[in-house]
Amino acid sequence: KQEVTQIPAALSVPEGENLVLNCSFTDSAIYNLQWFRQDPGKGLTSLLLIQSSQREQTSGRLNASLDKSSGRSTLYIAASQPGDSATYLCAVGGATNKLIFGTGTLLAVQP
Amino acid sequence: DAMVIQNPRYQVTQFGKPVTLSCSQTLNHNVMYWYQQKSSQAPKLLFHYYDKDFNNEADTPDNFQSRRPNTSFCFLDIRSPGLGDAAMYLCATSRLAGADTQYFGPGTRLTVL
Repeated sequence: KQEVTQIPAALSVPEGENLVLNCSFTDSAIYNLQWFRQDPGKGLTSLLLIQSSQREQTSGRLNASLDKSSGRSTLYIAASQPGDSATYLCAVGGATNKLIFGTGTLLAVQP
Repeated sequence: DAMVIQNPRYQVTQFGKPVTLSCSQTLNHNVMYWYQQKSSQAPKLLFHYYDKDFNNEADTPDNFQSRRPNTSFCFLDIRSPGLGDAAMYLCATSRLAGADTQYFGPGTRLTVL
């Protein structure tokens, strides 16, 4: 059974700092991995999708990497801003695109 | 703008009183999903439709049903809500069934009194 873990559960950093969020999964037989952002009481916004054949994806200040064999992904956020404060969720997708989510990392960027 | 819309955003119901949540999409995607997210927990897939084909997760309670009358709309019916069903319900869509980005709606927050 696939399990997804995100560490740390919460993170507080000063504005401008670069940071890394971690995601690990137990079954390496995945089709893709997605990173999402969730603001309090809101739905999920897709940030990056990495196919199983890819090693990384970049969008603006965000860079996500995938090491399928070791069951790990990282989300790197450069030059963090207060507007980046949110919960970040990673999710792994299988053949039917069913997503198994981690419980998220709550990020607070202090002005 | 193309998007995933959920109505209502907030729903209050009484214990045991049936409730229906609505999701619509303008993306013309083939696949629609319903997730349940309880407080401080990860979203959990309840079921999904690929076109008209319904796929139920093994551990989804029988109390939860779904309908997809056309490509654009999908409904979540909770026949007899219990206190444990209070959660955020998230609808998502994707163009393809595998290895494709899922786009989420804003969610419906369900409160059961």
